Amino acid sequence: QVQLQESGPGLVKPSDTLSLTCAVSGYSISSNRWWGWIRQPPGKGLEWIGYVYYSGITYYNPSLKSRVTMSVDTSKNEFSLKLSSVTAEDTAVYYCARHMDVWGKGTTVTVSS
Amino acid sequence: QAVVTQEPSLTVSPGGTVTLTCGSSTGAVTSGHYPFWFQQKAGQAPRTLIYDTGNRHSWTPARFSGSLLGDKAALTLSGAQPEDEAEYYCLLSYSGGLHVFGTGTKVTVL
Repeated sequence: QVQLQESGPGLVKPSDTLSLTCAVSGYSISSNRWWGWIRQPPGKGLEWIGYVYYSGITYYNPSLKSRVTMSVDTSKNEFSLKLSSVTAEDTAVYYCARHMDVWGKGTTVTVSS
Repeated sequence: QAVVTQEPSLTVSPGGTVTLTCGSSTGAVTSGHYPFWFQQKAGQAPRTLIYDTGNRHSWTPARFSGSLLGDKAALTLSGAQPEDEAEYYCLLSYSGGLHVFGTGTKVTVL
């Protein structure tokens, strides 16, 4: 059974970098699949952030592209998200997903000083 | 960037049928947009119901079906159950690897 679990700080200061990791179990991250990040601000809809292939190929949402970096660590069977120069508008629940069938439970990130 | 539009809210009677649609600001939605549909209940992570226009996952109840309807993607719920009350989102794929979620439809079973 494939499971994904997000982890990372729940509180990030403005202008800092948000860093999250998604641990994958029950499935090899090196298999022929894309791995994605999605977020949902409080009370709002879903926003696609981007996805990464196990080889490192990435596609990002153009509105976030200048601040986003995604990567894969095949030795740990996990992938990660970095979002730089965060503001309060980056406060959201962040989900990781095997594109696009299995989702993690999500992790709440608040940007505040 | 494309804007993907859904009905803000729909109401369906228990046992009834309702169709949700997903339109793109760039023009007609086709199978080449590989439409997905997701269900999100309050306080939970989304769950994928439909992929590639009309394919169900093993966990997707048969009462959910996906299709193209006119120039939009559509999700039809036939025989609505109280547990189907949720927010529903579509996702479309565009050139260059871009994906855009729809604005979401709140479905009430009443």
